[in-house]
Amino acid sequence: DAKTTQPPSMDCAEGRAANLPCNHSTISGNEYVYWYRQIHSQGPQYIIHGLKNNETNEMASLIITEDRKSSTLILPHATLRDTAVYYCIVRVAITGNQFYFGTGTSLTVIP
Amino acid sequence: SQTIHQWPATLVQPVGSPLSLECTVEGTSNPNLYWYRQAAGRGLQLLFYSIGIDQISSEVPQNLSASRPQDRQFILSSKKLLLSDSGFYLCAWDPEGGPTDTQYFGPGTRLTVL
Repeated sequence: DAKTTQPPSMDCAEGRAANLPCNHSTISGNEYVYWYRQIHSQGPQYIIHGLKNNETNEMASLIITEDRKSSTLILPHATLRDTAVYYCIVRVAITGNQFYFGTGTSLTVIP
Repeated sequence: SQTIHQWPATLVQPVGSPLSLECTVEGTSNPNLYWYRQAAGRGLQLLFYSIGIDQISSEVPQNLSASRPQDRQFILSSKKLLLSDSGFYLCAWDPEGGPTDTQYFGPGTRLTVL
C-alpha cells in the first residue's frame, strides 16, 4: 500500500527547476524517503533517497521537512529527457521489503 | 559499474504456454535479486526475492516460480501462462548488506499473453 500522496501531473518549462511535492504524513521513524522515475516502457530509475537530512546528488536534490511529513524533489534545470512519471516511496530499509510504487506524478517538461 | 540485463525485451505468448524470463547482474557479487510485475496502470507488485543461490522467497501465490541457479542470475518461469500474467516484468537488485537497500531496476520485459 502506497503511503504517499503526490499530484497526478505537473508541467515545467525546459531549463527551469521542477519541484515535485510528496506528502507522507504517516511516515515512521525508520522509514526512508526514496524517489524513482519511470520513462514510458522502461524500468524505474533510482534518483535519490534520504532519512532526515536534505540530500543532493548529480541528478536532483531532496528536501525533507523537519517533521518528515513531506518532501520535495527538485530537478534544478529540467530538460525534455526529464519527462517521466516520478514516484515518491517511503520504506523501511530491510532486504526483501518491496518498493510500493503508487501512481506517481507525471511530469511533462515543455520546450 | 554494475549493470542489470533482462531478456527478452518483449514477448507474446499464447495461454497455456510455458515462460522463462532471465535476469543477470554484472559488476557485483552476492546481490539480492527481485522480480516485480507492473500491470497496466497499476503499481509494482513484488513476486519473488532472493538473498542467495537457491534461496527464493515468494511474496504472492500464483502460477509463477523463480530460480537462482547462479549468484548473478535470476529466472522467472511458468509452466502454463494465464491471461492475467500479462504485464511488465521487472528484475531488480540491491547490494548485499547495503545500508538502505536501494534497489536498481532492469529494463523490463513486456509480456503479452493472448
